[in-house]
Amino acid sequence: GQQLNQSPQSMFIQEGEDVSMNCTSSSIFNTWLWYKQEPGEGPVLLIALYKAGELTSNGRLTAQFGITRKDSFLNISASIPSDVGIYFCAGQRVNFGNEKLTFGTGTRLTIIP
Amino acid sequence: DTEVTQTPKHLVMGMTNKKSLKCEQHMGHRAMYWYKQKAKKPPELMFVYSYEKLSINESVPSRFSPECPNSSLLNLHLHALQPEDSALYLCASSLNPAGPQPQHFGDGTRLSIL
Repeated sequence: GQQLNQSPQSMFIQEGEDVSMNCTSSSIFNTWLWYKQEPGEGPVLLIALYKAGELTSNGRLTAQFGITRKDSFLNISASIPSDVGIYFCAGQRVNFGNEKLTFGTGTRLTIIP
Repeated sequence: DTEVTQTPKHLVMGMTNKKSLKCEQHMGHRAMYWYKQKAKKPPELMFVYSYEKLSINESVPSRFSPECPNSSLLNLHLHALQPEDSALYLCASSLNPAGPQPQHFGDGTRLSIL
């Protein structure tokens, strides 16, 4: 199935650094979601965005819904060891009933001590 | 801790076995989903249940058979699986199939086919 372009594919950063990742699509979405997945666990919802231009924070995490509706960004400030994992964006077109999620390819975050 | 509970956490089965995966949520969600996830890849949608009725089947082979006995439970019956079916199987739920509410995932069942 279709996947969103997510970049970077992987990041190796030092503790305390800020992180930025983004997702782009050729199609418009009206909902953007950001999930984090750790080994042995399912994806955990971090932030949900419902309006173009919306900027939403969850602690050290901030995500934005792009104005064009074709992209979204996630920033993590002052990274800590527990931020390690794979981050997935997901877009959703909500028209009527059972709208599928289209996932990004994932960004693997590794923190160097 | 996730509010979507999946059992078992791990399952090893032979190609001729029959087994079932179970998923349970008590959040009052009326849409439930099965996904398959291979290593280092995003989840791939398999089935969607809306108000306990199958609404989407993403051309999944018949050796996978979903069942939704009630609004809180979702099963995935497995029979005559192939080695390439080894993967993490994730269940998810969302409040309203028709709305923008996000999907919440369980921790998955790690399935290995011998």
